[in-house]
Amino acid sequence: DGGITQSPKYLFRKEGQNVTLSCEQNLNHDAMYWYRQDPGQGLRLIYYSQIVNDFQKGDIAEGYSVSREKKESFPLTVTSAQKNPTAFYLCASSVGLAGEQYFGPGTRLTVT
Amino acid sequence: GQNIDQPTEMTATEGAIVQINCTYQTSGFNGLFWYQQHAGEAPTFLSYNVLDGLEEKGRFSSFLSRSKGYSYLLLKELQMKDSASYLCAVRDWDNYGQNFVFGPGTRLSVLP
Repeated sequence: DGGITQSPKYLFRKEGQNVTLSCEQNLNHDAMYWYRQDPGQGLRLIYYSQIVNDFQKGDIAEGYSVSREKKESFPLTVTSAQKNPTAFYLCASSVGLAGEQYFGPGTRLTVT
Repeated sequence: GQNIDQPTEMTATEGAIVQINCTYQTSGFNGLFWYQQHAGEAPTFLSYNVLDGLEEKGRFSSFLSRSKGYSYLLLKELQMKDSASYLCAVRDWDNYGQNFVFGPGTRLSVLP
């Protein structure tokens, strides 16, 4: 079954700790994306990657970092520099930048 | 800059037709997407428009007018399961590359 997986579904962390969210896809898609969604709001783009070993900042990249060492994987690290990290994080992929995006189930991160 | 507007909430009756509007302002328009998102879940792709006109897919249709910066999603024969948020998203090219901008979403409630 092809798809995008994100783990874990729920994640709790203490303030000041870095945390890494996993995103894996077996759709053979070149492009991958990370979004953040806050309650009652739309999605905001954090980072995206068109190909392996390359990624670009989105609108709200500050306090986040990514890597793209393999085509299938695009992990997101939420650093302690992110002032308001509690949110719903969604990973997506597409065939290329022109294609529609397929989303993973999301990770709900709570930082206290 | 980029800006996308959608109504915050709409209510309709089962079996009826509803039109959800989206207006946008971008510098380098390169396509408009509609997604459906049920509460607490990931968005799922509904439709894509890059040229002016109507795209029909079963009970769902989407219209685009690039000169007016306007799109709508039309849902026919509404069912209770159509209660969800509907997100309008624009793919935009600027000096820094590509960016995806999502609107705030329209929460649709379908009543019996």
